[in-house]
Parts: sequence; C-alpha cells; structure tokens
Amino acid sequence: NAGVTQTPKFQVLKTGQSMTLQCAQDMNHEYMSWYRQDPGMGLRLIHYSVGAGITDQGEVPNGYNVSRSTTEDFPLRLLSAAPSQTSVYFCASSTSGRGNEQFFGPGTRLTVL
Amino acid sequence: GQSLEQPSEVTAVEGAIVQINCTYQTSGFYGLSWYQQHDGGAPTFLSYNALDGLEETGRFSSFLSRSDSYGYLLLQELQMKDSASYFCAPLGVSSGSARQLTFGSGTQLTVLP
Repeated sequence: NAGVTQTPKFQVLKTGQSMTLQCAQDMNHEYMSWYRQDPGMGLRLIHYSVGAGITDQGEVPNGYNVSRSTTEDFPLRLLSAAPSQTSVYFCASSTSGRGNEQFFGPGTRLTVL
Repeated sequence: GQSLEQPSEVTAVEGAIVQINCTYQTSGFYGLSWYQQHDGGAPTFLSYNALDGLEETGRFSSFLSRSDSYGYLLLQELQMKDSASYFCAPLGVSSGSARQLTFGSGTQLTVLP
C-alpha cells in the first residue's frame, strides 16, 4: 500500500494564479481531510469529506474548493492564490476507528509570491 | 466554543521521563488523540484515549480525565529521536455532524544528550 500520496511536493505560485493540489489514498478510507500548517502553528482543517460526493467546510475554508468524486481522490483547489495561503498543506485519510486516526500524506509546501 | 492548551516547549535529557499536559474544551467530546511530528515531516498517530485512565504503548503512555477535560502524554526513557513536536487533538463535533479532530499549536520537545 502506498498509503496517502500528495503531489506536488513543492510549488511556487504568483498571486492570482490557480492550482490544484492532488491527494490520493489506497486504504479505502471513507474520511479524507485537508489541513494547512503555518510555521509554529498546529494543523487547521480546511475542508473534509465523509465519503464520495460529500464534502464540508472546516475551520479555514475561504479561498479553497474541494470535490470527492471517488473514494480514493480528494483534490484541493486554490481559486486565486494569495500570499496568505503560503503554507504546508497536508492531506489525511481515516476511518472512524481509533479516534478517527489520521493517516497523513507527506505534504505540499506552497509559496505564493 | 473550542479551546486547547499545551506547553509550547519542553526540554529534557536522554533517558529521562517527560510529561506533556493538555487541557481542552471541545463540543461533543469523544476522546483525545496524540500525534508526533518531526521537523519537515508529516504528523503520525501515537495514541487515542476514549475512556478515563492510562493507555500504555511501549515507552509512551497517554492519560485522560474526562471530568477535568485534561490529558497528558508521558514519554519514558527519552531518546534523541523523540525530539519532535507533539500535538494533542481532541475528537469532537464542531460544524455539521461529522466528528473532527482539533489540533493545537503543539509542544516542541527537545531531548539533550
């Protein structure tokens, strides 16, 4: 099993550009989430999904869109990048067991100039 | 509302025991998780307490008191590789009806030789 994979690992954008961060999991987990982590801070939930076709907003959803057409994939779209979106983005998948134990991908380090 | 408190930094020497405390306030509380994150890496799951008491997993133990909204992570026989950030993450219900983890800013543990 590859677990949770994320692409790209690094990305530099200019203000106003759009892009999609990819996330895929091969564990057949129903839950998937996107977090952002800023320096010295914890993880903040952007959007999450409890199954294919179902998504909802987390703590910091503004400027981001998600969709979940399959169990495996959960892409995150930045609509018009802003410097405030410079961060490390983690995708995670989980089941409901062990306190929704999150399996994290390696992260995408995004810089918006 | 939701709130989470844990110390920002803890320093200890190799072989020692260290305790990282966590107090929380979470809607619809289910249990308390702990995650470890090394610099530049993804968070990894350590433990989950749904019930009051102590859970032991090797050198790591985690404790929960639901009535006090308090938990701690105990690390014994510290090793250099334990230098990392540790996050407590209560599992609760915030927006909507899905259970979600809330991550605090974490505790940076430095293990000295």
